[in-house]
Amino acid sequence: NAGVTQTPKFRVLKTGQSMTLLCAQDMNHEYMYWYRQDPGMGLRLIHYSVGEGTTAKGEVPDGYNVSRLKKQNFLLGLESAAPSQTSVYFCASTYRGAKGEQYFGPGTRLTVT
Amino acid sequence: GQNIDQPTEMTATEGAIVQINCTYQTSGFNGLFWYQQHAGEAPTFLSYNVLDGLEEKGRFSSFLSRSKGYSYLLLKELQMKDSASYLCAVRALGGSTLGRLYFGRGTQLTVWP
Repeated sequence: NAGVTQTPKFRVLKTGQSMTLLCAQDMNHEYMYWYRQDPGMGLRLIHYSVGEGTTAKGEVPDGYNVSRLKKQNFLLGLESAAPSQTSVYFCASTYRGAKGEQYFGPGTRLTVT
Repeated sequence: GQNIDQPTEMTATEGAIVQINCTYQTSGFNGLFWYQQHAGEAPTFLSYNVLDGLEEKGRFSSFLSRSKGYSYLLLKELQMKDSASYLCAVRALGGSTLGRLYFGRGTQLTVWP
């Protein structure tokens, strides 16, 4: 099992460019999450999904969109990147009925110049 | 809303015991989690408390008092590899926020030889 994987690992964007971050999990988990982590700010939830075809906003959703067309994949899109979106992005997943521990991917380091 | 507080930094020496505190105020509570995050890596699950009391797992223990909105993570026989950030997270209760975790800003622990 690969667990939770994220693509790409690193990316540099210019202001205004768009990109999609891909998260994939092979554990058949129902719930998936996108977080961003900034120095001194901890992990903040961007969007999450409780099942295929469903998504919901987290604490900091502005400037991001998501899609969950397949149970194993959760995509995070930036339509027009801004320097404020420079961050480390983590995807996580867990299963219904779990104690709630989330399994995290290795992260994507995004720099917007 | 959710408010989770933990110290920013702590230091200790190898072989010692350290206690990392976390206080929280939440509009609903369904469990408290501790995660460990080494620099440049993803968070990994350490412990979970939903009832009052102490949960022990090897060198690590976690305590919860729901009435006081308080938890601590106790690390015994510290090793150099325990140098990491320790994240306290609270799970929200029910409804559309089922499974969501709210994270504190993390406590950076440095273990000295």
